[in-house]
Amino acid sequence: AQSVSQHNHHVILSEAASLELGCNYSYGGTVNLFWYVQYPGQHLQLLLKYFSGDPLVKGIKGFEAEFIKSKFSFNLRKPSVQWSDTAEYFCAEHNAGNMLTFGGGTRLMVKP
Amino acid sequence: KAGVTQTPRYLIKTRGQQVTLSCSPISGHRSVSWYQQTPGQGLQFLFEYFSETQRNKGNFPGRFSGRQFSNSRSEMNVSTLELGDSALYLCASSFAYGELFFGEGSRLTVL
Repeated sequence: AQSVSQHNHHVILSEAASLELGCNYSYGGTVNLFWYVQYPGQHLQLLLKYFSGDPLVKGIKGFEAEFIKSKFSFNLRKPSVQWSDTAEYFCAEHNAGNMLTFGGGTRLMVKP
Repeated sequence: KAGVTQTPRYLIKTRGQQVTLSCSPISGHRSVSWYQQTPGQGLQFLFEYFSETQRNKGNFPGRFSGRQFSNSRSEMNVSTLELGDSALYLCASSFAYGELFFGEGSRLTVL
């Protein structure tokens, strides 16, 4: 069965610090990968997605992620975080149809 | 464009009861998926419907069921509720593969 691992469960950063959240997936074939974000009290929303092509994917709000096939990784990055980035971040891998396998999530707290 | 609408937003049930949750997808989206979110297990896939047919099913007991209507609206039902069914149930609709649009969820508490 496919699995997605997010090794950082809680991350605390100060504003302007750089962010990197780890994500590892298990499936070795063609992969479609996503990062979703859940802001406090809000619904899950898509940050960015990778289907194919350029392994460096840019998303909304200055986020980007790099797909490294040899490492089975899809880490999320942002050069300078803001207080408004406080949220829970989920990495997900696409399976059949619209079934996604989600990682356990990373709670990010950004201190002003 | 209206987002995914889930009702009810909050509900409290007792063990042994059943519950029905409703989801209205974004207009034009024919795929509706359901996920269970709990602090311990995270986000787990329940099932997906496309054009009134169940296309995929997660690893949940038969007490969890769903259906989709011709207007793409979907319902999920949980029978014989257990304490462990307390969770946030999320519905997501999609037009294209993998890009899901989530509702705000229905928070179920089982006492």
